[in-house]
Amino acid sequence: NAGVTQTPKFRILKIGQSMTLQCTQDMNHNYMYWYRQDPGMGLKLIYYSVGAGITDKGEVPNGYNVSRSTTEDFPLRLELAAPSQTSVYFCASSSSTGRNYGYTFGSGTRLTVV
Amino acid sequence: DQQVKQNSPSLSVQEGRISILNCDYTNSMFDYFLWYKKYPAEGPTFLISISSIKDKNEDGRFTVFLNKSAKHLSLHIVPSQPGDSAVYFCAASARSGSYQLTFGKGTKLSVIP
Repeated sequence: NAGVTQTPKFRILKIGQSMTLQCTQDMNHNYMYWYRQDPGMGLKLIYYSVGAGITDKGEVPNGYNVSRSTTEDFPLRLELAAPSQTSVYFCASSSSTGRNYGYTFGSGTRLTVV
Repeated sequence: DQQVKQNSPSLSVQEGRISILNCDYTNSMFDYFLWYKKYPAEGPTFLISISSIKDKNEDGRFTVFLNKSAKHLSLHIVPSQPGDSAVYFCAASARSGSYQLTFGKGTKLSVIP
């Protein structure tokens, strides 16, 4: 009963490097999301997907890319990392819109860009 | 432009007493509201939700109240327990568009034994 699994848990990147944050869910949820949380702030939506092959931008998409080739996986790609991308990243999923039963979140990836 | 506001960054309550966490919103299109609880180094977990057609929803020790005219909701925890110490996020969803959740900044609740 894994739920939403994120890897890695921690990562330090140098400015200009790139990386992929992995997210996989085993609940057969159609909807998946990427959020970031900066210190003292709420969660802000980066990208979301309503099903395999369909992705759309959230509130703060600049500097990121996503793909959704399968129902289970929703990787987040950072190209040319910048210090402003230092944050905790959360992946989440829901069976439908998640409005009444909420999202299931992963445990997060703490990223530092130096 | 903060559409969901949690104006109290922190709250301390004695064990056994009531905890009241508040949330205000500005977008009149929001029609579903949720509360999440987050422990350090973990992802948020869903706690309770309420539709705008209701003004109250209960689940055990947790009750959410919605005042649509004031665009205000609150989460009551009775009685508070030390294990309730966490950050609580209020979130809202609009009935149009993609139904994305918009989160507040969170309130850190400390329940003192």
